[in-house]
Amino acid sequence: EAGVAQSPRYKIIEKRQSVAFWCNPISGHATLYWYQQILGQGPKLLIQFQNNGVVDDSQLPKDRFSAERLKGVDSTLKIQPAKLEDSAVYLCASSLGSVYAILEQYFGPGTRLTVT
Amino acid sequence: GNSVTQMEGPVTLSEEAFLTINCTYTATGYPSLFWYVQYPGEGLQLLLKATKADDKGSNKGFEATYRKETTSFHLEKGSVQVSDSAVYFCALISGGADGLTFGKGTHLIIQP
Repeated sequence: EAGVAQSPRYKIIEKRQSVAFWCNPISGHATLYWYQQILGQGPKLLIQFQNNGVVDDSQLPKDRFSAERLKGVDSTLKIQPAKLEDSAVYLCASSLGSVYAILEQYFGPGTRLTVT
Repeated sequence: GNSVTQMEGPVTLSEEAFLTINCTYTATGYPSLFWYVQYPGEGLQLLLKATKADDKGSNKGFEATYRKETTSFHLEKGSVQVSDSAVYFCALISGGADGLTFGKGTHLIIQP
């Protein structure tokens, strides 16, 4: 079974530029998550999708971050314009999704973003 | 809001030593608790979980017991190996949506 795929793996941009990350979840997984992991900290949830609908985006800085999951499969996360403090690893995770049980989240390798 | 506090690292032990990594939490309602592990060069993966009070999660020789009275979920292993060297994250899910709230992580180094 293929895991969660993310691209690019690394990205370096200057502040005020824009950047986009792509995630392809495990086939059949209805729930998709984006996390931000700043160096030395644990991952922080940015947004959660159930199929192509948003379940939780309470911690997404909506003035500069946006995310979409068209057709309920792949997802993109965009930052525009980037700030220095956005330097982090962006993790995508997916799970089968169920209202009856807490199911395991499977994480991708992450995209390491450096903003200079 | 929800939060997880775990012991600062790095934690350095000799092979075959006993391991404890402390984790305490604050949460609304009745959280589910997790330990995730990140081996060098790899992605985060679930190590074990417990979904209600007094449950014990176990995997690969690691154990953790959900203690509601002390709001803790400490990770233990009786005899660590060099291959256990990794970063360990305590995490929880609570409050309806099931995004994870993570601690800062503990870097474990096992010396031969």
